[in-house]
Amino acid sequence: KAGVTQTPRYLIKTRGQQVTLSCSPISGHRSVSWYQQTPGQGLQFLFEYFSETQRNKGNFPGRFSGRQFSNSRSEMNVSTLELGDSALYLCASSLSQVALGTQYFGPGTRLTVL
Amino acid sequence: DQQVKQNSPSLSVQEGRISILNCDYTNSMFDYFLWYKKYPAEGPTFLISISSIKDKNEDGRFTVFLNKSAKHLSLHIVPSQPGDSAVYFCAARGGAGGTSYGKLTFGQGTILTVHP
Repeated sequence: KAGVTQTPRYLIKTRGQQVTLSCSPISGHRSVSWYQQTPGQGLQFLFEYFSETQRNKGNFPGRFSGRQFSNSRSEMNVSTLELGDSALYLCASSLSQVALGTQYFGPGTRLTVL
Repeated sequence: DQQVKQNSPSLSVQEGRISILNCDYTNSMFDYFLWYKKYPAEGPTFLISISSIKDKNEDGRFTVFLNKSAKHLSLHIVPSQPGDSAVYFCAARGGAGGTSYGKLTFGQGTILTVHP
């Protein structure tokens, strides 16, 4: 069974731009969560989508948004990029909501904001 | 406010010996704890978990211990192998009734190096 895939793997943007990251969960998984990993903060939860609905949200500004499609694929969007948004963005999928299942992570998208 | 802490940034162990990775938490509403392993350029991989109603869970060379009164959990790897060298993250899941219900909160990670 294929694992979680994320595209693109690497991205370079400049301040003020916006970016969209994509995540395809493991086949059959309906929950997708997004995390930001930085050296200083570790992994921080962004949000979780289940059945196309945002079920949970972390403490990030409104510039960070996401959505989930009917095939469970998810996208994350960051608008008006700031230097501090440079990070590894990880997507994780699970069969059911995080509250009920174990998550499986993708390899991440490395975003660099110049 | 860091609710999950891994106070040791790194740990170095000889092959064949025991590796003990520690994690402390502050939120008593956490109901499930997990350990993940991460290699460079890869996403974290689920390793082992434990429910808050248990104090020990074992899976092959990996054992997780939970001390609820001390709000402390540890991961034991016996015997350690060079392939275990990676970053290890502990994570805690918010239980029902709390503001963090369903969310995973991660520690900062501990870099484990196992020397041949």
